[in-house]
Amino acid sequence: KAGVTQTPRYLIKTRGQQVTLSCSPISGHRSVSWYQQTPGQGLQFLFEYFSETQRNKGNFPGRFSGRQFSNSRSEMNVSTLELGDSALYLCASSFNPGGDTEAFFGQGTRLTVV
Amino acid sequence: GENVEQHPSTLSVQEGDSAVIKCTYSDSASNYFPWYKQELGKRPQLIIDIRSNVGEKKDQRIAVTLNKTAKHFSLHITETQPEDSAVYFCAASGRIQGAQKLVFGQGTRLTINP
Repeated sequence: KAGVTQTPRYLIKTRGQQVTLSCSPISGHRSVSWYQQTPGQGLQFLFEYFSETQRNKGNFPGRFSGRQFSNSRSEMNVSTLELGDSALYLCASSFNPGGDTEAFFGQGTRLTVV
Repeated sequence: GENVEQHPSTLSVQEGDSAVIKCTYSDSASNYFPWYKQELGKRPQLIIDIRSNVGEKKDQRIAVTLNKTAKHFSLHITETQPEDSAVYFCAASGRIQGAQKLVFGQGTRLTINP
């Protein structure tokens, strides 16, 4: 069974640009959550999608958005990039929504904003 | 909403000794408490979890204890080995604005000294 796949693995963008990250969950999983990981801040919850609907959102500005497709693949978009957006972005898939079953993480996309 | 505090942020122990990492949570309705291990450059992976109807769970050298009254849970690693060196995250599944989600602690960097 293939694991969670994130693309691309690395990205370098300039301030003001926008970026789209992709996450393909484990087959059969319909819940996809996104996290931002920075040194000292742990894993900050961005949002969760289940059956193409955003069911929860963290405390991030509106520049951060996402969506989920009918095949459960999810994308995350960040517009008007800022230097502080540099981080490792992780997605996690699970069978049930709400975080009360095991979450399987992807390798992450490391975004560097210059 | 749910808030998870994790201590210590760094922990260094001699190989063969035990390591203990502690977390507290704020939402008394939280019912699922997983622990994830993230090795350098790799994705977080679940190592053990516990549900609120259980006080303790053990898997070989790893154990987790839960005190619902005090709202804290701990990870215990016995007979530590070099491969236990990693960042460990605790998490609690609690409700934020009506929807349940997984909230992570800030992480503990564990170093096993040979």
